[in-house]
Formats: sequence, structure tokens, C-alpha cells
Amino acid sequence: ETGVTQSPTHLIKTRGQQVTLRCSSQSGHNTVSWYQQALGQGPQFIFQYYREEENGRGNFPPRFSGLQFPNYSSELNVNALELDDSALYLCASSRAEGEAFFGQGTRLTVV
Amino acid sequence: AQSVTQLDSHVSVSEGTPVLLRCNYSSSYSPSLFWYVQHPNKGLQLLLKYTSAATLVKGINGFEAEFKKSETSFHLTKPSAHMSDAAEYFCVVRGQAGTALIFGKGTTLSVSS
Repeated sequence: ETGVTQSPTHLIKTRGQQVTLRCSSQSGHNTVSWYQQALGQGPQFIFQYYREEENGRGNFPPRFSGLQFPNYSSELNVNALELDDSALYLCASSRAEGEAFFGQGTRLTVV
Repeated sequence: AQSVTQLDSHVSVSEGTPVLLRCNYSSSYSPSLFWYVQHPNKGLQLLLKYTSAATLVKGINGFEAEFKKSETSFHLTKPSAHMSDAAEYFCVVRGQAGTALIFGKGTTLSVSS
């Protein structure tokens, strides 16, 4: 088990709602990245935060946003939820470009 | 742009037989390549990584991979499969900006007794 914890583990939201997912990074790690894994697919990069600043973003619309806090924990916020946002959301922490350690993910279902 | 292609969506082997999971990469420069494993209801675990040192990389649980630049391949092998190896395997390349990990679509490994 890694030291990366995500909450909640599962949740169900209605289309159009907003959701916040949380991630506590492993001790000593200053970089957090988020990935979306649709069923049967590989994870896709959403964005990365380094020392509280976004320093990389994948091909996701602005309604996907995030924060990193001084203790390097992070949030992923998704506004105006769509059915296609249903997926496993994975958080990974690392020291800059070092090995990424993944949490177990949050399973989001949008109905 | 960097990308990886996993050539098999599903591989089935018998316990005790060799495992070969195939991956080709595309990169405009010397890539950083990884193999991750995902067991059901668990997070992703790093098996091994290549970062331009030795071309034969040894990982955890008896897995290894060989970087072949001439073939743009990074295939994952294991001499003898165990039931506990049944999982989803992802070949991954680090993006050019050094931030994103770019995942293949995955190969499901099934191991029968």
C-alpha cells in the first residue's frame, strides 16, 4: 500500500451537479497529479500541481479544476457534471519527476 | 508527441508458463518508460522503469523489460506466471513536458491453473 489516500472511495452524483474529490499525498512528496480512468481504458492525465501551482494540464475542459494546499494535499473539482464524467479518478504523488505513487481512486458515477 | 501502443488487449497463460506483454512506443527523444500493474479494486503499482540506463530493466515480482530502440519496443516478460499475476498491465511513457504519464490502453493478463 502506498501512502496516498483518496476520499471518498465511491460517490454518485446527478448530471449538472458539482463534485470535489480529495487526495492526501505521501509524506515528503510535493507534486500531485490527477488522472481519469474510464471503464476499460488506461488513465488519462488531467493536471498536475507542484508546490501549489498547476504546472501541466491534459486535454480536459476548464470545468475540471484543482487546488494544492501547503501540506501538498490536493482537490479535484468538477463542475456541471456530465454522464461521460463517470470514471475512476486517480491521484498520484511524487517528488517532482520521481516515481509516482497512486492512490486507490475514487469511483464517480454520474446519473 | 509521445505515445504507447499495447499490442494485445488480453493475454491468457497457464500457471508456470512464460508471460510476454508487448508494448511499442513513439517518442521524439529518449523516453522514460514504465510498466504499471492494476489489480481489481486496487491502485496502480509500479513494476519497473527505464530511464536511459541499462536496456534490460528488472522489476518487482520477477518481471523484467527490455528497451529496444531499433524496434521502439518495451516488452514486459516473466519466466513463470503465477496465479497472483492476473491483473491489468499498463505500458506508460512520460510526456515531453516531464509532467504527464501517458498510458496505453492496457493488457488484461489471465492465468489459469
